Amino acid sequence: QSALTQPASVSGSPGQSITISCTGTSSDVGGYNYVSWYQQHPRKAPKLIIYEVSDRPSGISNRFSGSKSGNTASLTISGLQAEDEADYYCCSYTSSISWVFGGGTKLTVL
Amino acid sequence: EVQLVESGGGLVQPGGSLRLSCAASGFTFSTSWLNWVRQAPGKGLEWVANIKPDGSDEYYVDSVRGRFTISRDNAKNSLYLQMNSLRAEDTAVYYCARGDRWSFSYWGQGTLVTVS
Repeated sequence: QSALTQPASVSGSPGQSITISCTGTSSDVGGYNYVSWYQQHPRKAPKLIIYEVSDRPSGISNRFSGSKSGNTASLTISGLQAEDEADYYCCSYTSSISWVFGGGTKLTVL
Repeated sequence: EVQLVESGGGLVQPGGSLRLSCAASGFTFSTSWLNWVRQAPGKGLEWVANIKPDGSDEYYVDSVRGRFTISRDNAKNSLYLQMNSLRAEDTAVYYCARGDRWSFSYWGQGTLVTVS
């Protein structure tokens, strides 16, 4: 199972919006609405921010939103804040009864 | 409050074995899917294995199948990962994570395994 494809890095200024893409195949992202997104700050455990493509867990800011079209999922962060600077990972359930993550995207808030 | 606390990591020689544990609290352990996810130093996340709530089924990533065994003790609210025939490429921080709504809803702080 190959890792999902994410851009290595993205950046934006405070207040702006950014979008991180996550591309898979019809056997994972395209085949199931089971895409989730995780935020990881340095030396910390990952934190769930989006599940089932577009749902937010309790306590997660509505500045975070998710979507999917075909084999590509996207995470959008609006109103960028300094605390959003972190690594972001997408993840999808697969037809192999397994889970596959993206390679991760480093978000820099300028 | 959900808590997952991993232990058992350390330095092991190639070909050796190690058993990781994860102590859980703050949720109904016996009805939850549980997972191990690892992260090699400076690298991304990789799902390793998961286990059904009643322990009746287990699933593994291809690279560890046949070498690693996931298990659980619902009476002790504990998750385990028995790792045999360890390789240098198994070096990583290992996280236990609760499976919920087709995602990994809570994570422990991780335990470092170094194979060298």
